Amino acid sequence: GAVVSQHPSWVICKSGTSVKIECRSLDFQATTMFWYRQFPKKSLMLMATSNEGSKATYEQGVEKDKFLINHASLTLSTLTVTSAHPEDSSFYICSARDIGSNYGYTFGSGTRLTVV
Amino acid sequence: EDQVTQSPEALRLQEGESSSLNCSYTVSGLRGLFWYRQDPGKGPEFLFTLYSAGEEKEKERLKATLTKKESFLHITAPKPEDSATYLCAVQTGGYNKLIFGAGTRLAVHP
Repeated sequence: GAVVSQHPSWVICKSGTSVKIECRSLDFQATTMFWYRQFPKKSLMLMATSNEGSKATYEQGVEKDKFLINHASLTLSTLTVTSAHPEDSSFYICSARDIGSNYGYTFGSGTRLTVV
Repeated sequence: EDQVTQSPEALRLQEGESSSLNCSYTVSGLRGLFWYRQDPGKGPEFLFTLYSAGEEKEKERLKATLTKKESFLHITAPKPEDSATYLCAVQTGGYNKLIFGAGTRLAVHP
């Protein structure tokens, strides 16, 4: 089945530094990937849609300069949290859709970001 | 505005006690309704996709149904390992993105 690998699974960084999270589709090509943020005991909030070879589409209220998205190939999208602050601490999840499968949208295992 | 509402917010069951989770939606053109299971600290795991009213799908102890206004996830004779958060999401109109409900946290006790 469709597999999406997300790395790292957790990261701790200091305020003011930047952190990059990778999302890879392992056995299919994904022209579109999605980045979500999830707060404790809350549902997934879509941050942006990542399009291969073009600019990402950000949801209303999401700072595009803080959350940089790059989708340079059909199997890799990255989310960089720039100048991180404690309020950026959260669980970040990516997803992709294998059009040719019955699995719908496949999600990565998530990245727990803690900014200290 | 497209909206997805799940109920109950939390559900506690005894092992073997069957029940149903509800997902009601208001969207402009449903392209698909998805059910996912999410364990703590993990990404959502795909369960079902439903596309049209009247459609039903089953997997082990789970059965998902769809009407024009809501979907139900029926859990038959649940086991403790079924404990998780169950998320409902809809794909609408011309967009590829999913809109998620807040989820139902299910706890099954022996």
